[in-house]
Amino acid sequence: NAGVMQNPRHLVRRRGQEARLRCSPMKGHSHVYWYRQLPEEGLKFMVYLQKENIIDESGMPKERFSAEFPKEGPSILRIQQVVRGDSAAYFCASSRTQGAGEKLFFGSGTQLSVL
Amino acid sequence: GENVEQHPSTLSVQEGDSAVIKCTYSDSASNYFPWYKQELGKGPQLIIDIRSNVGEKKDQRIAVTLNKTAKHFSLHITETQPEDSAVYFCAATSGTSYGKLTFGQGTILTVHP
Repeated sequence: NAGVMQNPRHLVRRRGQEARLRCSPMKGHSHVYWYRQLPEEGLKFMVYLQKENIIDESGMPKERFSAEFPKEGPSILRIQQVVRGDSAAYFCASSRTQGAGEKLFFGSGTQLSVL
Repeated sequence: GENVEQHPSTLSVQEGDSAVIKCTYSDSASNYFPWYKQELGKGPQLIIDIRSNVGEKKDQRIAVTLNKTAKHFSLHITETQPEDSAVYFCAATSGTSYGKLTFGQGTILTVHP
């Protein structure tokens, strides 16, 4: 029973390029969350998605960042025109439902480095 | 919104000693408090959680206590082992979605053999 799968593990981009981060939730999970972790800081919520729907994007920067979770395939976090400040570890998590008692399981993350 | 403060930022103990990490939260509506362990190069792993209708929960060497009145909760690790060395994060949420967590800043725990 594979856990939350994220790829790539490491991604290097030059300023102005696009970054695409992928997340496949655990089998049977239909709720996906993206978090960002800056060096020596805790994780910050970015966005919560269900299949084909964005439920809560209150933590997403207003520009350059977007997320999707299509009917088929992984969830994608897309960062356009990356800047050095986007360098961070991006974690995806999934849960089976959003109700009481549901636990959140995290992937190993994608480390984004912007040169 | 919710704000979670975590102390200490670093904690060093000898193997076999106990370790205590404390967190405070600001939103009195928060009702779910998980603790995560993060090892180098890995994602956070849930180790224990507690809900607002419970004051204490134990799982082998790990326990969590919650004081709703004071709005703080703590992680207790007894008989620490070198493999307990990691970064520990507390978190809280008050929404209907248990996945939208507000995390503390983390505690680097080092257990010396």
